Amino acid sequence: EAQVTQNPRYLITVTGKKLTVTCSQNMNHEYMSWYRQDPGLGLRQIYYSMNVEVTDKGDVPEGYKVSRKEKRNFPLILESPSPNQTSLYFCASSLGATGAKNIQYFGAGTRLSVL
Amino acid sequence: AQKITQTQPGMFVQEKEAVTLDCTYDTSDPSYGLFWYKQPSSGEMIFLIYQGSYDQQNATEGRYSLNFQKARKSANLVISASQLGDSAMYFCAMRGMNTGNQFYFGTGTSLTVIP
Repeated sequence: EAQVTQNPRYLITVTGKKLTVTCSQNMNHEYMSWYRQDPGLGLRQIYYSMNVEVTDKGDVPEGYKVSRKEKRNFPLILESPSPNQTSLYFCASSLGATGAKNIQYFGAGTRLSVL
Repeated sequence: AQKITQTQPGMFVQEKEAVTLDCTYDTSDPSYGLFWYKQPSSGEMIFLIYQGSYDQQNATEGRYSLNFQKARKSANLVISASQLGDSAMYFCAMRGMNTGNQFYFGTGTSLTVIP
């Protein structure tokens, strides 16, 4: 089944404790992205990657890191989480960057609480 | 700067009636893609419909159609024959093809279908 898989689905942590949210897709998609969703703000892009070893900042990259060492994986790293990073996080991927290839498919989401 | 605006925080529609969800966008890029996603209460993001800026005809997918008015920079989603299962948050999104690879989402519209 074609899918984007995020883990964990739920995570409660404490301020300053490094964490990684994994994202994997099995569709051979080139484009992958991370978003955070906060009430009243919609989805805001954190980082995105056009291909292996190519990553770029989105609108809200502060406090986050990403890497794209393999095409299928795009982990989101919070080196020192803070309470303002409490949010719902989505990973998404798309086949490419033109026309309908832009259509992104989303993972199920990771609900993160930082205490 | 690129921006998506959804001005209707909440909408109600009677079952079996049609409803229009508004979306306006701002971009200087002549080539762009417009997307609508549905987020039910379970939280997943579901792709609904895509419109390219150079597409001559308005996109349609089953009961969903996109009313694309390029000069007005609007991309309204029309849902015909509303069903109870259409109750959800709806997000409009955009990506400019020539001005970077970021996606921009609106703040969403909450649709409630009344039996």
